[in-house]
Amino acid sequence: GAGVSQSPRYKVAKRGQDVALRCDPISGHVSLFWYQQALGQGPEFLTYFQNEAQLDKSGLPSDRFFAERPEGSVSTLKIQRTQQEDSAVYLCASSPDRVEEAFFGQGTRLTVV
Amino acid sequence: GQQLNQSPQSMFIQEGEDVSMNCTSSSIFNTWLWYKQDPGEGPVLLIALYKAGELTSNGRLTAQFGITRKDSFLNISASIPSDVGIYFCAGPSENRDDKIIFGKGTRLHILP
Repeated sequence: GAGVSQSPRYKVAKRGQDVALRCDPISGHVSLFWYQQALGQGPEFLTYFQNEAQLDKSGLPSDRFFAERPEGSVSTLKIQRTQQEDSAVYLCASSPDRVEEAFFGQGTRLTVV
Repeated sequence: GQQLNQSPQSMFIQEGEDVSMNCTSSSIFNTWLWYKQDPGEGPVLLIALYKAGELTSNGRLTAQFGITRKDSFLNISASIPSDVGIYFCAGPSENRDDKIIFGKGTRLHILP
């Protein structure tokens, strides 16, 4: 497809379970961003990649969160030992250059029970 | 840290009415962005503003970058049903321009 693709669209995890969320950016886009959007809130920055390099991970809320983009294309956001407060929509965005040119995916809605 | 305050939080209007919403910050932003998010979708950029005082239109949408660089507004004229959604103002962080800070959004509802 032409847009940013995220999978799965929905994920229900039991507390303590590990999850992996996938993002397929638009082909050729150098920059990739992950955001977390809690219910009723705006998206909050998690991390930023330029190609395979993770240049900013200042928004990751704890060391249970880990993101990678090993070949500079597909990215995975991993959350270990999920907690209820991790329940949110996780949005991925990619951009050819500047952050304001980024296109967002539909997000993965994570519910931790 | 930097925060963006949007008002109103939600709006209920009749189809055909004009809409105005705004966004303020305690700190300066050098770029203002307005996004719309439909249910189950990611935000979509509507308008980007790069210069203080700039007034930019995109169809029925008009946005302005405040002179103080601490505020912006978005107007929608002659609203239609597909305007329903959440409108976010946003801007790059003063410390890291790869990081976009979003407001909490204005939820627009259109009454039948």
